[in-house]
Amino acid sequence: LAKTTQPISMDSYEGQEVNITCSHNNIATNDYITWYQQFPSQGPRFIIQGYKTKVTNEVASLFIPADRKSSTLSLPRVSLSDTAVYYCLVVVGNYGQNFVFGPGTRLSVLP
Amino acid sequence: NAGVTQTPKFQVLKTGQSMTLQCAQDMNHNSMYWYRQDPGMGLRLIYYSASEGTTDKGEVPNGYNVSRLNKREFSLRLESAAPSQTSVYFCASSSDRTQETQYFGPGTRLLVL
Repeated sequence: LAKTTQPISMDSYEGQEVNITCSHNNIATNDYITWYQQFPSQGPRFIIQGYKTKVTNEVASLFIPADRKSSTLSLPRVSLSDTAVYYCLVVVGNYGQNFVFGPGTRLSVLP
Repeated sequence: NAGVTQTPKFQVLKTGQSMTLQCAQDMNHNSMYWYRQDPGMGLRLIYYSASEGTTDKGEVPNGYNVSRLNKREFSLRLESAAPSQTSVYFCASSSDRTQETQYFGPGTRLLVL
């Protein structure tokens, strides 16, 4: 089963770019990597998903190196409302029968 | 569009009592999931249903049973609650298991005394 690791916490200031890295060993060739955001007392919310290289949407970018042993979520110009816990999710297996959430990174954005 | 809804929002049980957590989605998704999240921890998969009529165990299935009642509804049952099952339970759904973009409900907070 793939195991993921993330930094426990990070601090940033408003307007800065934040990069959060997730390490995932033993990820299979066909796995997608997905990132979620969670606010207190709410369910996780999808941010971005990728398979390789770089993916960008309106809120974030996701960088995945060629060896796919890690992925980096990049949040440009964070604001106070980006304070949350961020999880990476790795799916293992062709039928997605194993979902491995990372332990989560608590991001605190300071004014 | 309500998305994924869960009932109840909060429940207190005594050890040994049983209860069913309800989940419904209105997005016509094929796959549904149940997770638990313990304080300060990440999410762990309890059971999932890839499609109507099928269910499979996840990482932590012991002490739980599930029923995929129809395409919309996926329930989680605790037959004999234990204090170790005190947690927040999240239901999620996705249209395509391979893509795994999951949409989560608001959660059910369960306290077992």
